[in-house]
Amino acid sequence: DGGITQSPKYLFRKEGQNVTLSCEQNLNHDAMYWYRQDPGQGLRLIYYSQIVNDFQKGDIAEGYSVSREKKESFPLTVTSAQKNPTAFYLCASSPRVARGQHFYTDTQYFGPGTRLTVL
Amino acid sequence: GQSLEQPSEVTAVEGAIVQINCTYQTSGFYGLSWYQQHDGGAPTFLSYNALDGLEETGRFSSFLSRSDSYGYLLLQELQMKDSASYFCAAPGNTPLVFGKGTRLSVIA
Repeated sequence: DGGITQSPKYLFRKEGQNVTLSCEQNLNHDAMYWYRQDPGQGLRLIYYSQIVNDFQKGDIAEGYSVSREKKESFPLTVTSAQKNPTAFYLCASSPRVARGQHFYTDTQYFGPGTRLTVL
Repeated sequence: GQSLEQPSEVTAVEGAIVQINCTYQTSGFYGLSWYQQHDGGAPTFLSYNALDGLEETGRFSSFLSRSDSYGYLLLQELQMKDSASYFCAAPGNTPLVFGKGTRLSVIA
């Protein structure tokens, strides 16, 4: 079955600790994304990657880091520099479609999310 | 840049019809997508309008008017399970831009 997986589903962290959230996809999608969602709020983009070995900061990248060494994987590290890390983290992937000189990011497929709580 | 505006909350009665509006401002627009998210779950894709007009998928329909920079999601024969948040989004040559979401509450 093709899909996108995130682990763990629930994660607890002590203040001052770094923690890494896993995101894996077998959809052969070029682009991958990390979002943060706070209760009752929309989706805020943390980082995105449109191709292996390349990634870009989103709207709220401070205190987070990512890597994209493989097409299938896009792990997110929440560092101790993130002042308020308790949130629901969603990973997504999408195909890229060439349109002239630009790439168009198509429908996004989301993983089930990781709920991070800082104790 | 792009921004999308939608109402924060809508309440409707089971069996009724509800319309969730989305207005957008973009510097490059390919179309409008809609996603559904149940509490505690992940967003799932519902529909996409690349062209003006109405797209129907079962009880759900989505409409786009490029001249008015406006679209809507129409849910018919509402069921309790339709209670969720609905996000409009604009695909393009930058990461998908989402509206802040509309929380739909279906009441008996």
